[in-house]
Amino acid sequence: DQQVKQNSPSLSVQEGRISILNCDYTNSMFDYFLWYKKYPAEGPTFLISISSIKDKNEDGRFTVFLNKSAKHLSLHIVPSQPGDSAVYFCAAGAGAGSYQLTFGKGTKLSVIP
Amino acid sequence: NAGVMQNPRHLVRRRGQEARLRCSPMKGHSHVYWYRQLPEEGLKFMVYLQKENIIDESGMPKERFSAEFPKEGPSILRIQQVVRGDSAAYFCASSQGIGNQPQHFGDGTRLSIL
Repeated sequence: DQQVKQNSPSLSVQEGRISILNCDYTNSMFDYFLWYKKYPAEGPTFLISISSIKDKNEDGRFTVFLNKSAKHLSLHIVPSQPGDSAVYFCAAGAGAGSYQLTFGKGTKLSVIP
Repeated sequence: NAGVMQNPRHLVRRRGQEARLRCSPMKGHSHVYWYRQLPEEGLKFMVYLQKENIIDESGMPKERFSAEFPKEGPSILRIQQVVRGDSAAYFCASSQGIGNQPQHFGDGTRLSIL
């Protein structure tokens, strides 16, 4: 039973355009969400997070949107750069004392120069 | 490098041997987590430790797998009598606290079983 789903295995975007990566979750207890970027043969790198008391969080070119009623979040990257090409993982945690992250399977983003 | 350090980066073992994976958390972090990633899959939680204590090992197989985080030294994930199905990437993460605190990951150990 996959509690965090990233339904697009891959996404191609032109350099300079917006990349939108999507994530859906099923567990209503999730209240903290994170996005990680992963290059081949490296570990996931933390990008940005959002707690359920917010519906948007920005950090430079990265913005995460949370729609709690739809159990959906998205990561927007504007403008996209070739160095953004990587696998992006959505992860979720449940509760103030949570420590166990549940990950999606990832979306491979390719930014075409 | 103040990041999470894992070694070895690659480990090859024959079936029946033991595998030991090491993880040094980021400076100032006392919470350590181990995750496993199979090909084309997301990371799956295995165990959460604080210094000298296993807090939650619910994601770790009951047999052959063990983890520790001693008072001195790195955290160790130990797999005894490895089988082909243990082949995976094993990632360690650390954090300053729990709850709304991001976990920071090492570059992983890629375990291959011959």
